Amino acid sequence: GAGVSQSPSNKVTEKGKDVELRCDPISGHTALYWYRQSLGQGLEFLIYFQGNSAPDKSGLPSDRFSAERTGGSVSTLTIQRTQQEDSAVYLCASSLEGVSPLHFGNGTRLTVT
Amino acid sequence: QKEVEQNSGPLSVPEGAIASLNCTYSDRVSQSFFWYRQYSGKSPELIMSIYSNGDKEDGRFTAQLNKASQYVSLLIRDSQPSDSATYLCAVNPNTGFQKLVFGTGTRLLVSP
Repeated sequence: GAGVSQSPSNKVTEKGKDVELRCDPISGHTALYWYRQSLGQGLEFLIYFQGNSAPDKSGLPSDRFSAERTGGSVSTLTIQRTQQEDSAVYLCASSLEGVSPLHFGNGTRLTVT
Repeated sequence: QKEVEQNSGPLSVPEGAIASLNCTYSDRVSQSFFWYRQYSGKSPELIMSIYSNGDKEDGRFTAQLNKASQYVSLLIRDSQPSDSATYLCAVNPNTGFQKLVFGTGTRLLVSP
């Protein structure tokens, strides 16, 4: 597709369960980002991948959160032992290398009950 | 102090008026500044970027940057109801890569 694709669009899970969120960036974009947006809040940076460099994980809120990017393309954000405070919209974005605009996917709305 | 601050609004303007959205940032060495528009339930989309002091115009949108005052603004001329959205200010505090820090956004309501 032409844009950043995220799946699932909605996910409802029980507290304590693990979840995986997927992001397929725009073809040719070497940079990939995960952000989180809670209700009434700004976008919170989580993690950044750039090419083959080590990812910047400085925004991950706890060790329950992890992400990987396979083959420099698709990325998966994993949340283990989900908590209610993890409920948010998780946004993935990609961009060309360098200072260039971020293109966002439509997000995954995660609800932890 | 938050890194990027915006008034949450809502900012209400009548159709055809100028909407002025403001943003301040704390990191004096920031180099890149962006405005994103986010419709309810949708993802953010880039509408303006600005890198140097002064004004940058694109259609009905003008971004203004004052690095000395650590202030960036967005003016929307001839506001339309379709401009009603949340406007997010984003700042890149690191010249190494585009790790954007976002404000919480200002909600704009344009009434017909």
